[in-house]
Amino acid sequence: QVQLVESGGGVVQPGRSLRLSCAASGFTFSSHGMHWVRQAPGKGLEWVAVIWFDGSNKYYADSVKGRFTISRDNSKNTLYLQMNSLRAEDTAVYYCAREANIEVAGLGLDYWGQGTLVTVSS
Amino acid sequence: SYELTQPPSVSVSPGQTARITCSGDALPKKYAYWYQQKSGQAPVLVIYEDNKRPSGIPERFSGSSSGTMATLTISGAQVEDEADYYCYSTDRSGDHRVFGGGTKLTVL
Repeated sequence: QVQLVESGGGVVQPGRSLRLSCAASGFTFSSHGMHWVRQAPGKGLEWVAVIWFDGSNKYYADSVKGRFTISRDNSKNTLYLQMNSLRAEDTAVYYCAREANIEVAGLGLDYWGQGTLVTVSS
Repeated sequence: SYELTQPPSVSVSPGQTARITCSGDALPKKYAYWYQQKSGQAPVLVIYEDNKRPSGIPERFSGSSSGTMATLTISGAQVEDEADYYCYSTDRSGDHRVFGGGTKLTVL
């Protein structure tokens, strides 16, 4: 079965860096676009970034552009999010999510991990 | 940056029809998607490409889109449908995704 397992969250001081990982299994990882989505405590979902199936294109929300970098290693079935210059407002649960095969669910995010909490605080 | 607008809350009695709207300038040309998120859980896709249901989603969930507004309809809402619902789409370029602010559905 499809599984997405995030790791790497924790408490970090403002201005520091953190790298999140998302280990994928149960499907052909290299065939799917992958996303990071975050949710601040008590708030709504916020799309963060997408990377195409082959890593050829990456797009970011304005709120993280220039500070966060999405990447993937298809040989390791792993998605990453490098987060630099962290701010208090980056505090959130970070989810990785799989983009569906277009014929199955369009551009919908059909599988999600359980999330990893990032807390930015001094 | 592009925004999708949803009402903060909708409330219905069990068995009634719940309608949740989502407005955005690019919706006439871009598909809307809907996610359900129950407390403490990851989101679940319930509607894709405006009006299609993924496998396993009950038939009482349906979607529509007209002009700049997309609508999620839950016909005969049940207590277990109580959750936060988010619309999702892309900006005009198709490269950037965006979520609406979310609507808390109360069924009681």
